[in-house]
Amino acid sequence: GAGVSQSPSNKVTEKGKDVELRCDPISGHTALYWYRQSLGQGLEFLIYFQGNSAPDKSGLPSDRFSAERTGGSVSTLTIQRTQQEDSAVYLCASSSRRVRDRAFFGQGTRLTVV
Amino acid sequence: AQSVTQLDSQVPVFEEAPVELRCNYSSSVSVYLFWYVQYPNQGLQLLLKYLSGSTLVKGINGFEAEFNKSQTSFHLRKPSVHISDTAEYFCAVSLTQGGSEKLVFGKGTKLTVNP
Repeated sequence: GAGVSQSPSNKVTEKGKDVELRCDPISGHTALYWYRQSLGQGLEFLIYFQGNSAPDKSGLPSDRFSAERTGGSVSTLTIQRTQQEDSAVYLCASSSRRVRDRAFFGQGTRLTVV
Repeated sequence: AQSVTQLDSQVPVFEEAPVELRCNYSSSVSVYLFWYVQYPNQGLQLLLKYLSGSTLVKGINGFEAEFNKSQTSFHLRKPSVHISDTAEYFCAVSLTQGGSEKLVFGKGTKLTVNP
């Protein structure tokens, strides 16, 4: 497809379980971002990948959160031992070079921890 | 550090009325400023951006924003809104730190256009 694709679109999981969220960026985009959107909290930066450089993980809220990007393309955000406060919409974005060029967002994964 | 403040969490207006969504930022260096829109159950899309040059920036769907360096503001405006403009609007600033660039977003303003 032409846009950023995220899967699944919705995920319900039990507290304590691990989840994996996937992001397929636009082909050729070297920059990839993960954000978390919670009700009334705006968009919270989680992690940023740029080409082969070390990722900026400064936004990850705890060591239960991790992300990887394989082959400079697909990215997976993993949340271990999920907690109820992890419930949110997780958004992925990609851009061709830098975010100032333009960031294209996926439609997000809505995670509900019960 | 850079941060973004959107002063209004919700803005209700009537159709065909003008609207202004306010955004202030704090930064000690040059900034790049953005407005994104999120329609219900969709991802974010870029409305407009300010990188340099003219302080009045025009975007899609008839929106425009003015960069005011002295007031550190980047307010979004539209002279006449439509029902279809109902959405959440996010102001963002590009933050560069240690070679990493990322967008820092405000908390968003929910615009509701009523008939």
